[in-house]
Amino acid sequence: QLQLQESGPGLVKPSETLSLTCTVSGGSISSSSYYWGWIRQPPGKGLEWIGSIYYSGSTYYNPSLKSRVTISVDTSKNQFSLKLSSVTAADTAVYYCAHVQHWGQGTLVTVSS
Amino acid sequence: DIQMTQSPSSLSASVGDRVTITCQASQDISNYLNWYQQKPGKAPKLLIYDASNLETGVPSRFSGSGSGTDFTFTISSLQPEDIATYYCQQYDNLLTFGQGTRLEIK
Repeated sequence: QLQLQESGPGLVKPSETLSLTCTVSGGSISSSSYYWGWIRQPPGKGLEWIGSIYYSGSTYYNPSLKSRVTISVDTSKNQFSLKLSSVTAADTAVYYCAHVQHWGQGTLVTVSS
Repeated sequence: DIQMTQSPSSLSASVGDRVTITCQASQDISNYLNWYQQKPGKAPKLLIYDASNLETGVPSRFSGSGSGTDFTFTISSLQPEDIATYYCQQYDNLLTFGQGTRLEIK
């Protein structure tokens, strides 16, 4: 059974870069032709797609976040990562990594000084 | 960008009721639509993929229909454990979620 687990700092200062990693177990990132993605959910609000990467390295980003987002994949570690630059309080959210029907449990990232 | 308009935003129904949620895409997305269920503090769970296909292990009281721009999600007989927020998601062009429908027991 495929499992995904987010990891990274739970607190980030305004203007800094948020960095999260998703570790995949029970399967290989390289073996799937479907997307590996990041989704976030601000407290009490709905789901927002951030971006996706395919095993080939092709990336697709939410146009509203595109200028600040980088998603990369490390097939040797079976991980993919999210970087979101110049964060503000509006970026406070639970961040999920996902692969089609498989989701991580989510990690809360708070932006505060 | 493809916008997804989901309605209603909240819904109160009784156990045993038939519940329907709709999702409208701003342009034709064929059948590239998923429906998710999210319970408080949990990650979303995929219920329906490709607009009408039931994910493995999901009870048959859940169903989906539609294509093009108009989609419907139905719970044929509401159960207490169905209390959650439901989201549609298009994947025809990038990914977009609907605003969500919070389902409560009356």
